[in-house]
Amino acid sequence: SQQGEEDPQALSIQEGENATMNCSYKTSINNLQWYRQNSGRGLVHLILIRSNEREKHSGRLRVTLDTSKKSSSLLITASRAADTASYFCATDPNQAGTALIFGKGTTLSVSS
Amino acid sequence: GAVVSQHPSRVICKSGTSVKIECRSLDFQATTMFWYRQFPKQSLMLMATSNEGSKATYEQGVEKDKFLINHASLTLSTLTVTSAHPEDSSFYICSARDRGWQFFGPGTRLTVL
Repeated sequence: SQQGEEDPQALSIQEGENATMNCSYKTSINNLQWYRQNSGRGLVHLILIRSNEREKHSGRLRVTLDTSKKSSSLLITASRAADTASYFCATDPNQAGTALIFGKGTTLSVSS
Repeated sequence: GAVVSQHPSRVICKSGTSVKIECRSLDFQATTMFWYRQFPKQSLMLMATSNEGSKATYEQGVEKDKFLINHASLTLSTLTVTSAHPEDSSFYICSARDRGWQFFGPGTRLTVL
């Protein structure tokens, strides 16, 4: 099962520009996480934002969470070619022992 | 953070054969592990929840007789794809929870010819 949609599905930008990806979900959550995946590779955990947080920063990453709208956004500032990857949001339900549920993902392409 | 390993990382098999994928939690005990499947250019879809010492819980649409899950110890869960067909070709990823965090294995690329 998947929580919901991410948009855009694909995003192409130039190096130095900012990239914004959005994620919507359907059920109540304990936290929401963002992951990165390079083509054919495993997942890399980027950042976690708890349900009682509204914004969080980590380096060039900025994540926001609006639980009233059941949505989150990931902003990558000053993008680099190495940021080219797929980005997924994943929601962690309130129930113990349950799995993360992933959104459909955004494929980001950063050209130099 | 905690480490989850998978073996093999890549497997190519003939149609009709069975393939076993191992998922290990290396430095923690996991009573619950999860198996995901990812088709090309798609997201991770949860297949099943593997519970140590009991039967796995499968997501809707996942055939339990085709995807056999065994969680015989607190550090090992196995996924066996029985009578694999080309449509089973996919990236299989396991994960395990440790103190509220979910850690992911590196994935197994299955190609069925």
